[in-house]
Amino acid sequence: EAGVTQSPTHLIKTRGQQATLRCSPISGHTSVYWYQQALGLGLQFLLWYDEGEERNRGNFPPRFSGRQFPNYSSELNVNALELEDSALYLCASSFSLGNEQFFGPGTRLTVL
Amino acid sequence: KNEVEQSPQNLTAQEGEFITINCSYSVGISALHWLQQHPGGGIVSLFMLSSGKKKHGRLIATINIQEKHSSLHITASHPRDSAVYICAALNYGGSQGNLIFGKGTKLSVKP
Repeated sequence: EAGVTQSPTHLIKTRGQQATLRCSPISGHTSVYWYQQALGLGLQFLLWYDEGEERNRGNFPPRFSGRQFPNYSSELNVNALELEDSALYLCASSFSLGNEQFFGPGTRLTVL
Repeated sequence: KNEVEQSPQNLTAQEGEFITINCSYSVGISALHWLQQHPGGGIVSLFMLSSGKKKHGRLIATINIQEKHSSLHITASHPRDSAVYICAALNYGGSQGNLIFGKGTKLSVKP
């Protein structure tokens, strides 16, 4: 069974541009979570989607947004990129609320 | 003070040693994850537990809900165990859904 997949693996953008990151959850999982791991800051929660709805968001500005599609895949959009957005963005999925989360390999975003 | 604290931050061991990594949390939780992150960045879920003890191969995880403390043990450590180990708490009731992460313990096992 395929695990959580993310694309692209690497993404290089310049300040002010927009980035779109994609995540496909494990088959049957309805919840998708996005996390940011910036250098030296550890993992931080960004967004949680379940059944197509945004259920919770972390302490990030509105230029971080996303959506979940009917097939439960998800997109994370980061607008007006800033240098400090450079980080590893990890997606995880689970069988809805409270279940074990399984992580994808991540997308490394570099903002120049 | 972080809601999830891990110790030690760094740990160097000789191959074969028994290793313990500790995690304390101050929030009410419904479950606790132990995660392993290798240098490439990928994260593997090792355990999710809400009570007692779980074992998988050479790895053992325990949790004491009353004391708000969990431990990850590695028996007969091996260089391939070298990685960052992260504990993450799932908020009480899971209503917020997200994990709160410790800062990680960087383990290096020398041959």
